[in-house]
Amino acid sequence: AQTVTQSQPEMSVQEAETVTLSCTYDTSESNYYLFWYKQPPSRQMILVIRQEAYKQQNATENRFSVNFQKAAKSFSLKISDSQLGDTAMYFCAFMKLPNFGNEKLTFGTGTRLTIIP
Amino acid sequence: GAGVSQTPSNKVTEKGKYVELRCDPISGHTALYWYRQSLGQGPEFLIYFQGTGAADDSGLPNDRFFAVRPEGSVSTLKIQRTERGDSAVYLCASSLAPNYGYTFGSGTRLTVV
Repeated sequence: AQTVTQSQPEMSVQEAETVTLSCTYDTSESNYYLFWYKQPPSRQMILVIRQEAYKQQNATENRFSVNFQKAAKSFSLKISDSQLGDTAMYFCAFMKLPNFGNEKLTFGTGTRLTIIP
Repeated sequence: GAGVSQTPSNKVTEKGKYVELRCDPISGHTALYWYRQSLGQGPEFLIYFQGTGAADDSGLPNDRFFAVRPEGSVSTLKIQRTERGDSAVYLCASSLAPNYGYTFGSGTRLTVV
């Protein structure tokens, strides 16, 4: 079974600064996917960024980037030039390589991020 | 529809009652997932459907929980003899290619009093 650990229950940062959220995971799989999801008060989980484990290059999406360290089983999220709209819960999630097209996500417990004006 | 729709948005029920939670996925998405999110926790997998069939129901906590998707589109999560411990947000998601991530609905907050 896979486990995902987010060791920072809460973080806060000033607007326009950079913040890094930590995530570690445990798996015996060699191929898998990793995701960061954002959950604002509206409750809807929104995909922020994804990483394929077999790709060495770190994924980036505009102000969001990851530091993927496969050997260390670490997958941190960096948010640059943080904005008030980034305030939300952030969840790290793991997915095994899908068999027959589908697989479930395993989530961490989340980090509550607050951007301070 | 444009997104995943879940109804009702909030549901309060008395202990011991039966409830149904509905999920309307994105049109054409063959895979549909149910997750449960307790306060202060990440979502936990309950069940997923590929088409009309339950491909994996290993996350259902006990036999009071059941889900159907009779026509391969709308799904209903059914909870019998509700208990206070069932109080949580129930999230539904659908996908065409899950390795690109799911699209989630806004969830149903179930409160059992």
